[in-house]
Formats: sequence, C-alpha cells, structure tokens
Amino acid sequence: ETGVTQSPTHLIKTRGQQVTLRCSSQSGHNTVSWYQQALGQGPQFIFQYYREEENGRGNFPPRFSGLQFPNYSSELNVNALELDDSALYLCASRAGTEETQYFGPGTRLLVL
Amino acid sequence: AQTVTQSQPEMSVQEAETVTLSCTYDTSESNYYLFWYKQPPSRQMILVIRQEAYKQQNATENRFSVNFQKAAKSFSLKISDSQLGDTAMYFCAFMIANFGNEKLTFGTGTRLTIIP
Repeated sequence: ETGVTQSPTHLIKTRGQQVTLRCSSQSGHNTVSWYQQALGQGPQFIFQYYREEENGRGNFPPRFSGLQFPNYSSELNVNALELDDSALYLCASRAGTEETQYFGPGTRLLVL
Repeated sequence: AQTVTQSQPEMSVQEAETVTLSCTYDTSESNYYLFWYKQPPSRQMILVIRQEAYKQQNATENRFSVNFQKAAKSFSLKISDSQLGDTAMYFCAFMIANFGNEKLTFGTGTRLTIIP
C-alpha cells in the first residue's frame, strides 16, 4: 500500500458524458500527477499539479482538466467522453523535494 | 522528447531462477532518474528500484538490482531467486530532474511470469 487512494474503482459512462475521478495523496505529498493507461500499454502522462497549480501537461486535449485542493487531494475531469478514453487512470503523488512517485490503485473507466 | 523501449513483451522463468529485463532509453538530458515499477494484476503500480543518473554505482534492493550503462543508455533489471509473487508487468520509466517537468515516461512493459 502506498497511501494513495482513488475513487471510484470502476466506472461506466457513455460517449459524450462527463466524468470526475478523485485522488487522495499520500500524507505530506504536495505534488500529484495523473496518467492514462490504455489496455496493454504503459501509462501516459496527462498533467501534474503542484501546490494547487498545473505545472506540466502531456499531449492531452483541453477536455482533460484537473484540480488540486488545499489538502493536496486532486480531481481529474474529462468532458465529452470518447470511446478511446476507456482506460485505467492512475494518480501518483510525491513530496515536491523528492523524485519518486507513489501510485494509487487506479480507476478503470469504460466508455460505451 | 524522451523515449523508453522495452524489447521483451513477455518473459517466463522457473521459480528461484534469475531473470533480467531489458530497457533502453533515449534522451539528450544529463540529469535524470530511472525507475522500474511493477504492476501486478491488482493494478497498483509499485516502485521496485530507482537509479539517479549522476550515480555510477548500480542500485540494489534486496533481490532486485540494476545494470545502469549511461553511455549506452541502458537500464536492465535483474531479479535474483525469483518468487511467485514477482509475477507482474514490469515497466521501465524515465524522469528528467527538472522542476515542472517531472513527468514519468514509461516503456510498454514486460509481462513476467514465474513458473512454480
């Protein structure tokens, strides 16, 4: 166990809908990153938040957005869901002074 | 852009044997970190071992060790005395040591099966 939790564990949505995924960081960690892992692939970086501000983003469209709260928990929001958004979404937290990211168990999203 | 290549999609080995997983990467950066993560069927990505690029000494963690060849941009993972619990997907990952750019770039993974 890494101390990083995510909710929900599984989610089914239909194309065009919106979804919000949640992540609770490990205690003492002020940086959170989100990754998308398609089936059979390695995780792809979506974005990173540090002290409530986005400070890094991968090649994902603006309909992927996020928030980080004062307690360093985080949300990933995806609008206008597409079939290709079906994936495992992982969040990872770390202390800003350290390099190791600790992952949560992920949320499995299925878009029909 | 950084890339990470894992050329072995699947491997299997008998319990108690030693296995080596390969990873190569490409970058023009000089200061970075390399990681091996394990992802069992439970899905949670677990850190196995990490290596700082500025350190010449290879990292070790109990039965896990790496062979870091910076000039060759190679970072292999050796698992000694393999156990059934080592069965998992193994991902090699790279991260630049630069504030605001600390994203992990992953390879496509190696599925390792330990045979009883």
